[in-house]
Amino acid sequence: GQQLNQSPQSMFIQEGEDVSMNCTSSSIFNTWLWYKQDPGEGPVLLIALYKAGELTSNGRLTAQFGITRKDSFLNISASIPSDVGIYFCAGHLGIQGAQKLVFGQGTRLTINP
Amino acid sequence: GAVVSQHPSWVICKSGTSVKIECRSLDFQATTMFWYRQFPKQSLMLMATSNEGSKATYEQGVEKDKFLINHASLTLSTLTVTSAHPEDSSFYICSATGTYYEQYFGPGTRLTVT
Repeated sequence: GQQLNQSPQSMFIQEGEDVSMNCTSSSIFNTWLWYKQDPGEGPVLLIALYKAGELTSNGRLTAQFGITRKDSFLNISASIPSDVGIYFCAGHLGIQGAQKLVFGQGTRLTINP
Repeated sequence: GAVVSQHPSWVICKSGTSVKIECRSLDFQATTMFWYRQFPKQSLMLMATSNEGSKATYEQGVEKDKFLINHASLTLSTLTVTSAHPEDSSFYICSATGTYYEQYFGPGTRLTVT
């Protein structure tokens, strides 16, 4: 079945540092999504990418849809304490009838003040 | 926009009883909703896909008679855990599909079966 390999699994950084995480797949996806989940909460959509090569920003967050459609990365600049949480990538085939998202294993971000 | 709510946010029930969890899309209509289960420190595990007005599609290994899903309207889907047992204790999260296949998640429901 389709799988997303997300790395790193965990990150321990100092406040103010930049963060980079990525997802790769053996399959092609037509939509890439990045979510953040805080403890005890549901995931929140951060960025949605719909086009190969697309680079999209949301404040300090920047994500790119890989040109091969098999990968995506998320960067966070100048990290702050509220960035702590688990980040998930998710891919979608982008076709009717195939509605499921495929999720990465998550990247747990910890920030030392 | 694209707000999804869940109720209750947490529930404790006794073994053998049934529990119903509601998922509502508050400001948009959701033809498709999804139910996930999440274990500690793990990713989301899709349980079923729920389409308004039709039977839910369950993932392999999910007991459809135990996890009853009803999607009666474009804004409401319910998950009923029947005859709950301690091993059903988990974090259950629903989501609803937006315009372009993105999913918006509810805040989750923590179920503890004693």
